[in-house]
Amino acid sequence: IAGITQAPTSQILAAGRRMTLRCTQDMRHNAMYWYRQDLGLGLRLIHYSNTAGTTGKGEVPDGYSVSRANTDDFPLTLASAVPSQTSVYFCASSDPFKSGTTFYEQYFGPGTRLTVT
Amino acid sequence: AQSVTQLGSHVSVSEGALVLLRCNYSSSVPPYLFWYVQYPNQGLQLLLKYTTGATLVKGINGFEAEFKKSETSFHLTKPSAHMSDAAEYFCAVSPNFGNEKLTFGTGTRLTIIP
Repeated sequence: IAGITQAPTSQILAAGRRMTLRCTQDMRHNAMYWYRQDLGLGLRLIHYSNTAGTTGKGEVPDGYSVSRANTDDFPLTLASAVPSQTSVYFCASSDPFKSGTTFYEQYFGPGTRLTVT
Repeated sequence: AQSVTQLGSHVSVSEGALVLLRCNYSSSVPPYLFWYVQYPNQGLQLLLKYTTGATLVKGINGFEAEFKKSETSFHLTKPSAHMSDAAEYFCAVSPNFGNEKLTFGTGTRLTIIP
């Protein structure tokens, strides 16, 4: 089934540890995104990638890094986790040309629930 | 710059009653507007979208929304609520060119009363 997979589903992490959240899509979408979801704040964009080999900063990029070595994968790394990074993380992808329209409908993965203690 | 305001973080309606979830946006350019739904412990799923053309758009599960430029609104409605509609709903906006990054509202949790 085409879509986006994220791993792990959930994780408890000690503060100061390094963690990589994985995201893979099989729709061959050019653009990919990482959001965090926090109660009362909705979804906030962390980083994005318009195409393989390029990345950009979103609204809340501090403490996070991303890479886009190929079209399918877009890992998110927390170099040294802090409790304020406790959140649910969603990966998404889009591609206006694939969808045949000029707007950017985004498709979301199931999320990773991260707790930093 | 763009932003979204969803009035009411929690809305409760009786089964069979009208559902109305409010969304107002701010955008310096003509917007694209979206409603997403999130069921418990799941990712977001697109309900409906407005890009150009007809201002009343219909989505999945009987939902619809109307783009009102004069009121900068994009409220979501459903004539008759069903228990399965209980979820969190997010309104989102993006500019209608190039930049594809969505700006989300803070969400409205819809509860259906039996």
